[in-house]
Amino acid sequence: EIEMSQSPVILSESPGQRVTLSCRASQNISSNLAWYQQKPGQAPRRLIYGASTRDTGIPARFSGGGSGTEFTLTISSLQSEDFAVYYCQQYDNWPLTFGPGTKVDVK
Amino acid sequence: QVQLQESGPGLVKPSATLSLTCAVSGASTTDSYWSWIRQSPGKGLEYIGYIYYNGMTKYNPSLQSRLTISLDTPSNQYSLKLISMTAADTAVYYCAKGSPAPDHWGQGIQVTVSS
Repeated sequence: EIEMSQSPVILSESPGQRVTLSCRASQNISSNLAWYQQKPGQAPRRLIYGASTRDTGIPARFSGGGSGTEFTLTISSLQSEDFAVYYCQQYDNWPLTFGPGTKVDVK
Repeated sequence: QVQLQESGPGLVKPSATLSLTCAVSGASTTDSYWSWIRQSPGKGLEYIGYIYYNGMTKYNPSLQSRLTISLDTPSNQYSLKLISMTAADTAVYYCAKGSPAPDHWGQGIQVTVSS
């Protein structure tokens, strides 16, 4: 089973700032990675798939990068609606697995 | 727009069977993959498995011996059955469209295993 790790666990930042979240896979997953955003009481929402392709309707301030074992999600200018938990998910190998999440909160 | 809605019991006794249904609107279950995912404080997000429109299924090996996912295309819904429930199965259960990275999710249903 491929293990996913994410850092930091919590990221505190001010609105308008640029933030970068990291995700690491325990083995090479090529670009078979998705990012999700989850707000309290809501289901996860997919933001990015294929490591870097934004879903329809996702603002351009969200960008994904990386391949192999190291991936990033960058929010170029934090908006109030972006404070949430972010998860990465690998879909290169079964069983599909998620990272433990990074919480982005207000500094 | 695609919408999914889970239904089923919120409380299940230990050793009992959990049965959940996902009603789909805005899309047809005769197309695409249909997934179940669960989330608990202890294990985080866990991909349970999926069913393809042709009936093909794929299950998480950790649950495979207890799990059945089935499709009801005339009703445009699909279901999950998990036998021999334990406290470790307590979680929010989500149904979702698509695999391997689902793009539409239901709101989730809290399932608690307790006597």
